[in-house]
Amino acid sequence: QVTLKESGPVLVKPTETLTLTCTVSGFSLSNARMGVSWIRQPPGKALEWLAHIFSNDEKSYSTSLKSRLTISKDTSKSQVVLTMTNMDPVDTATYYCARIGVVQGVIITDYWGQGTLVTVSS
Amino acid sequence: DIQLTQSPSFLSASVGDRVTITCRASQGISSYLAWYQQKPGKAPKLLIYAASTLQSGVPSRFSGSGSGTEFTLTISSLQPEDFATYYCQQLNSLGFTFGPGTKVDIK
Repeated sequence: QVTLKESGPVLVKPTETLTLTCTVSGFSLSNARMGVSWIRQPPGKALEWLAHIFSNDEKSYSTSLKSRLTISKDTSKSQVVLTMTNMDPVDTATYYCARIGVVQGVIITDYWGQGTLVTVSS
Repeated sequence: DIQLTQSPSFLSASVGDRVTITCRASQGISSYLAWYQQKPGKAPKLLIYAASTLQSGVPSRFSGSGSGTEFTLTISSLQPEDFATYYCQQLNSLGFTFGPGTKVDIK
């Protein structure tokens, strides 16, 4: 059974750095053509893709947030970590991690974590 | 970055109605488009990938079509559990952007 679970602080102060961890089970981060994406959703608003990392360590970032994001993985711990610097109240959102895979040459996002709400406030 | 628009942004429909949602991309994305359903307080659920491939376990009343810049999600006969918000996502190029969403509400 594939599961993903996000963990991290529920409250961060403006200008601080957010570190979120996605712990996966039911698949390995070393599986070929698999990886993890991070997506966020401000309250009442749309989804926003942030970044992804594949098993071969290929990474990609949102153009608008690239300077603030870093994604990495620890295969032995089955964890993917996302850091976002210089947090602002507009970054208040539910942050999701999700499994991505390549099926018939197409990337799909098939399993999602439950999400974790991060509030940015002083 | 590729931008996605969805229409309508909101629709009110009745059980049994046929519902169609359109997603348009700012440039061609071949068939690299997915559709998700999201209910309040829940994570999105993958419905369709590669524009028209039904994800395993998803009811056959859901279907997708299109390629290039225009795509549609159709629900052939709306069921009570289908009232939700639907998002498209392009996975063609870096920056796997989502559309703004379409909320399907009960008439």
